[in-house]
Amino acid sequence: GDSVTQMEGPVTLSEEAFLTINCTYTATGYPSLFWYVQYPGEGLQLLLKATKADDKGSNKGFEATYRKETTSFHLEKGSVQVSDSAVYFCALSSSNTGNQFYFGTGTSLTVIP
Amino acid sequence: GAGVSQSPSNKVTEKGKDVELRCDPISGHTALYWYRQSLGQGLEFLIYFQGNSAPDKSGLPSDRFSAERTGGSVSTLTIQRTQQEDSAVYLCASSPGPGLTRGIQYFGAGTRLSVL
Repeated sequence: GDSVTQMEGPVTLSEEAFLTINCTYTATGYPSLFWYVQYPGEGLQLLLKATKADDKGSNKGFEATYRKETTSFHLEKGSVQVSDSAVYFCALSSSNTGNQFYFGTGTSLTVIP
Repeated sequence: GAGVSQSPSNKVTEKGKDVELRCDPISGHTALYWYRQSLGQGLEFLIYFQGNSAPDKSGLPSDRFSAERTGGSVSTLTIQRTQQEDSAVYLCASSPGPGLTRGIQYFGAGTRLSVL
């Protein structure tokens, strides 16, 4: 069945460091891919999404490119800030599965000044 | 407000008691999801409602768990005879449904359930 495998955490970076959080997926159809973020004490919120191969989602300096050939959707940011400290979840949704969502286990990021 | 509302925000109960968790989705959203988030774990899908279709209950962990969605709006997740392993944060999310916005979920703040 459809699934998402996400890089294990926790990740600790210094401010202004480069961030990559890996995400790969397994899907029978053509899913949409998402990154959700959960800031401390808050609910999950959508960070970015991509709906077809080679699409690039971007928001708040974060980017992720939908790579069908490698079944990946890695999250990147060139220069992280302390305020980026949060838990990041990769997810997919496919009409083949009735729009059910599959989430990764989450990657905790801590950015230190 | 216009967001997804969950109540109560915290619930402490004794083992063996039944609990009901409520979710008010965003008005007009046809899809509603329940998830469970245990400490240090990712999101575990529980159940999915889409419009008037039969719900997808494939994620419910046991027959002690059930959910209803009345009138295509408010949903209630019921856990009967609670066990300590049911302790978790229960999240509700709603989604507009098909179309360009398909797949974007809006999450509530969750209900933190503690079973003593």
